[in-house]
Amino acid sequence: AQKITQTQPGMFVQEKEAVTLDCTYDTSDPSYGLFWYKQPSSGEMIFLIYQGSYDQQNATEGRYSLNFQKARKSANLVISASQLGDSAMYFCAMREAPGGGGADGLTFGKGTHLIIQP
Amino acid sequence: DSGVTQTPKHLITATGQRVTLRCSPRSGDLSVYWYQQSLDQGLQFLIQYYNGEERAKGNILERFSAQQFPDLHSELNLSSLELGDSALYFCASSPEGNTDTQYFGPGTRLTVL
Repeated sequence: AQKITQTQPGMFVQEKEAVTLDCTYDTSDPSYGLFWYKQPSSGEMIFLIYQGSYDQQNATEGRYSLNFQKARKSANLVISASQLGDSAMYFCAMREAPGGGGADGLTFGKGTHLIIQP
Repeated sequence: DSGVTQTPKHLITATGQRVTLRCSPRSGDLSVYWYQQSLDQGLQFLIQYYNGEERAKGNILERFSAQQFPDLHSELNLSSLELGDSALYFCASSPEGNTDTQYFGPGTRLTVL
């Protein structure tokens, strides 16, 4: 079974609109972390935001926020007021508890290709 | 700029050959991770080193090996290369005591012909 599922292979969004990118995860570890990365066409991986499984509040970083619904095992990324420069691949990833059969290495989803249209 | 450097940026080689990819983590980061991004497999964790010691293994093939040196730079060795090894190889590092953030380098694009 896939540990990270991103169900939207591609999305087109109008500039200035808010965007929600979906991510669901599967783990039996009580302690885990969830990450979002952006990969523009140039190829680099840019860290956007992190949410720990025990964090009480949803993480926010500037225009990025993470809608964490633990019971549903979902960690959707919300981008407010989208910009043309937001066009990129977006990856959701999970780190399971080290020593519990997991490692600090991240497990990635297949990504969502977001295109912002003017 | 994440502060993680990788060399070379591009590498073209032939099947059966051996190559070495190099990574320098961010200043002070003790953990180094290697990832492979291919069209078939997506992004996969290969291996992690912490302060010179192997800490965790992911989907790393036996033909691949890595090490981390006393100055904390790391090298990923790929041998008996196959066409399917063509991929973007990323190195990432994370700060001491905080794996909440992994900073990725720009990657090395390997093409096996």
